[in-house]
Amino acid sequence: QQQVKQSPQSLIVQKGGISIINCAYENTAFDYFPWYQQFPGKGPALLIAIRPDVSEKKEGRFTISFNKSAKQFSLHIMDSQPGDSATYFCAASGPGSGNTGKLIFGQGTTLQVKP
Amino acid sequence: NAGVMQNPRHLVRRRGQEARLRCSPMKGHSHVYWYRQLPEEGLKFMVYLQKENIIDESGMPKERFSAEFPKEGPSILRIQQVVRGDSAAYFCASSPLGPGELFFGEGSRLTVL
Repeated sequence: QQQVKQSPQSLIVQKGGISIINCAYENTAFDYFPWYQQFPGKGPALLIAIRPDVSEKKEGRFTISFNKSAKQFSLHIMDSQPGDSATYFCAASGPGSGNTGKLIFGQGTTLQVKP
Repeated sequence: NAGVMQNPRHLVRRRGQEARLRCSPMKGHSHVYWYRQLPEEGLKFMVYLQKENIIDESGMPKERFSAEFPKEGPSILRIQQVVRGDSAAYFCASSPLGPGELFFGEGSRLTVL
């Protein structure tokens, strides 16, 4: 019940294209859904996050779409750039993970944006 | 305002030795989380600590692993009698309030020969 499933495992997109990464969760008690970006040899860094009271959140080229009834959320990267090439992790936390703030992470998606 | 500081960044140990990984949270943060990342895998929660208290250790292996966050000084993740399967990147994260954004360090990469 604490799993977060992420797909695809890897993604190749042309520069200027749209990158879409999907996540699904099981525990309806989760109430915080962040996306983290990780470059090789570095730690994950928060990219954007959403709470279930809204269905979409946009920050620059990055948008989270949230479907509470389907228990799914996705990251859309518009106008993808080579500098976006990284590994992306979705995560969830809240009462579903003991309300301690610990994040349950998806398996990660390695994005490559070709010039 | 320094971020989360982890050291050492790289550590090589032989089987049976001990590994000690240190984490200094961001200034003003009193909540520390440790995660393990195996090659080509996601981040797995290990333990959540506040000053002098272990709050949630549900992700810690039952044997050989321990963690502490003393009143003074960094949080320490200790792995005794390391085995090859312990080879991974260990990340520390901190937050000021618990639930919400976690700020990650750059990780400590442990290699067990």
